[in-house]
Amino acid sequence: GDSVTQMEGPVTLSEEAFLTINCTYTATGYPSLFWYVQYPGEGLQLLLKATKADDKGSNKGFEATYRKETTSFHLEKGSVQVSDSAVYFCALSSNSGYSTLTFGKGTMLLVSP
Amino acid sequence: EAGVAQSPRYKIIEKRQSVAFWCNPISGHATLYWYQQILGQGPKLLIQFQNNGVVDDSQLPKDRFSAERLKGVDSTLKIQPAKLEDSAVYLCASRKRELDNEQFFGPGTRLTVL
Repeated sequence: GDSVTQMEGPVTLSEEAFLTINCTYTATGYPSLFWYVQYPGEGLQLLLKATKADDKGSNKGFEATYRKETTSFHLEKGSVQVSDSAVYFCALSSNSGYSTLTFGKGTMLLVSP
Repeated sequence: EAGVAQSPRYKIIEKRQSVAFWCNPISGHATLYWYQQILGQGPKLLIQFQNNGVVDDSQLPKDRFSAERLKGVDSTLKIQPAKLEDSAVYLCASRKRELDNEQFFGPGTRLTVL
């Protein structure tokens, strides 16, 4: 079945540092890939997505590229802020009609001033 | 546009009691999902509705969990009787149409079973 593997956290960075959170996946066919963010006490919010190979999703300074050859969708940001502290989830969705999301375990990011 | 609404936000019960959660999806969204998120893990799908019909409930522990979506709008998820391992956040999400694979999540209900 489908699965998503993320690097374990917490990831602890200083403000303005470069961020990478690794994500790899296993799926049949050509899934869509997502990064969701969960701020403390809140629900999941879609951060960015990519629907086909070599697509780059980007939002709020974050970006991730759909790499089919390495089955990866790593999240990057050039300069993190304290407000980016949250839990980040990589997920995939098969592109069948009633597609569901398969999530990784999440990576906590802690950014200090 | 209003988001996905869930209530209650928090619930504490003792094991073997029953509990119900309510979800109101974004208006016009045909597909509704319930996920269980155990602390330190990613959300896991429990059940998926398309309008008022069940599409996938393969991961729902049917001996104790039930869900319904009457009239194809809001939905309730019930646990009866609750076990300690049911302590989790229960997330509701909705999606507009079949070809749109973006899901919108509610704030969740945090259940603690003592």
